[in-house]
Amino acid sequence: DTGVSQDPRHKITKRGQNVTFRCDPISEHNRLYWYRQTLGQGPEFLTYFQNEAQLEKSRLLSDRFSAERPKGSFSTLEIQRTEQGDSAMYLCASSLVRWRGADTGELFFGEGSRLTVL
Amino acid sequence: GQNIDQPTEMTATEGAIVQINCTYQTSGFNGLFWYQQHAGEAPTFLSYNVLDGLEEKGRFSSFLSRSKGYSYLLLKELQMKDSASYLCAVSPDTGGFKTIFGAGTRLFVKA
Repeated sequence: DTGVSQDPRHKITKRGQNVTFRCDPISEHNRLYWYRQTLGQGPEFLTYFQNEAQLEKSRLLSDRFSAERPKGSFSTLEIQRTEQGDSAMYLCASSLVRWRGADTGELFFGEGSRLTVL
Repeated sequence: GQNIDQPTEMTATEGAIVQINCTYQTSGFNGLFWYQQHAGEAPTFLSYNVLDGLEEKGRFSSFLSRSKGYSYLLLKELQMKDSASYLCAVSPDTGGFKTIFGAGTRLFVKA
């Protein structure tokens, strides 16, 4: 396993279009996270999954954003009716957290999908 | 609410020591992380503290005081390749291991 992979790496779209990003986590990891990062800022939490269950979603995430992890493996993040303010780097991360384990929750990030909305 | 504060930028000289401070106020606490992020790249894990004290890992050390809501990252024998953003991040005690990040400190190492 070579780590977390994301696709596409870059996406340029026109305002109002829909975009979808895919993330393939490290295979043995049970948790998957989506973050958004803009220039000069730290990653901003969007949502996360434990296996296929979406356990938390940021209040900052509008109804235009939806994420799925249908079989507890890869995940998709869809943005509908994109706006210029959606332009950012969308980072996916995975971690392994076991019940009563000594795991720290260290995140392993993918290279990100950069979205530009014109 | 959740709040993590760290300086925006720092400059240091190659071979020197630099300390990057972080203060946090979160609804709970389940550990503090430091990540390194080079420009245009993804963040990578540096350190984790959950108990008070100093954790040393090669040229990097991280300190935590839970009572003060304070941590620092200490970088020794600075190298040019250490020029990067350093992100302080906290896992609040939500039971979900969600990690909240600060805005990051951009470190410039000069010759």
